[in-house]
Amino acid sequence: DTGVSQNPRHKITKRGQNVTFRCDPISEHNRLYWYRQTLGQGPEFLTYFQNEAQLEKSRLLSDRFSAERPKGSFSTLEIQRTEQGDSAMYLCASYGSLAGDPIAAQYFGPGTRLLVL
Amino acid sequence: AQTVTQSQPEMSVQEAETVTLSCTYDTSESDYYLFWYKQPPSRQMILVIRQEAYKQQNATENRFSVNFQKAAKSFSLKISDSQLGDAAMYFCAYRSAGGFKTIFGAGTRLFVKA
Repeated sequence: DTGVSQNPRHKITKRGQNVTFRCDPISEHNRLYWYRQTLGQGPEFLTYFQNEAQLEKSRLLSDRFSAERPKGSFSTLEIQRTEQGDSAMYLCASYGSLAGDPIAAQYFGPGTRLLVL
Repeated sequence: AQTVTQSQPEMSVQEAETVTLSCTYDTSESDYYLFWYKQPPSRQMILVIRQEAYKQQNATENRFSVNFQKAAKSFSLKISDSQLGDAAMYFCAYRSAGGFKTIFGAGTRLFVKA
C-alpha cells in the first residue's frame, strides 16, 4: 500500500452518463497527478496539480473531462457524457518524498477501472 | 520531446534465475531521473528502483539492480533470484530533473515459471 487511495475501485456506467472519481494522496505531498491506462499500455498523463492549482492538462483531456483539487488535498476527476472510448483504468499519483528517502517520486493509487457500456 | 522505449513486450524467466528487462530513452537533457515501476495483475503500481542521471553508480535494491548507460541512453533492470511474486508488468519511466511530468514506456510483462 503506497498510501494513496482511490474510490471507487470499479465503475460500470452506460454511455452518456457522468462519472466522478476521487483520489486521496499522501498528505504531505503537494503534487497530484491523474493518468489514464489502457490494457497493455503504460500510464498516459492527463493532468496535474500543485496544491489546488491545476498547472497542466494533456490534449487527451477533452472538454468532457474536468479535474479539481479544491483544498489542495483530495482530488476529483469527472467525465461527462461518457463514451465507450473512455473505458480505461484511471490512476492517481501522489508526488513527493517519503520519510527517510530524499528523492521525490510518484506513488500510485490502486486506480479506478471504468467500463462504459 | 522525451520518449521511453521498452522493446520487449513479454519476458519469461525460471524461478531462481536472473532476467534483464531492457529500456532505452531519448532526451536532450543532462539531468534527469529514471525509474522502474512494477504493476502486478490487478494490483497497485509500485516503485521498484530509481536512478539519478548524475550518479555513475548503478542503483541496487535487494534483488533488483539497474545497468545505467548514460551515453547509450539505456536503463535496464536486472532481477536476480526471480520469485513467483515478481510476475508483473514492469514500466520504465523518465522524468527530467526540473520537470513535472513522468513519461512511461509501454511496459514489459514478466512471467515467472515455477
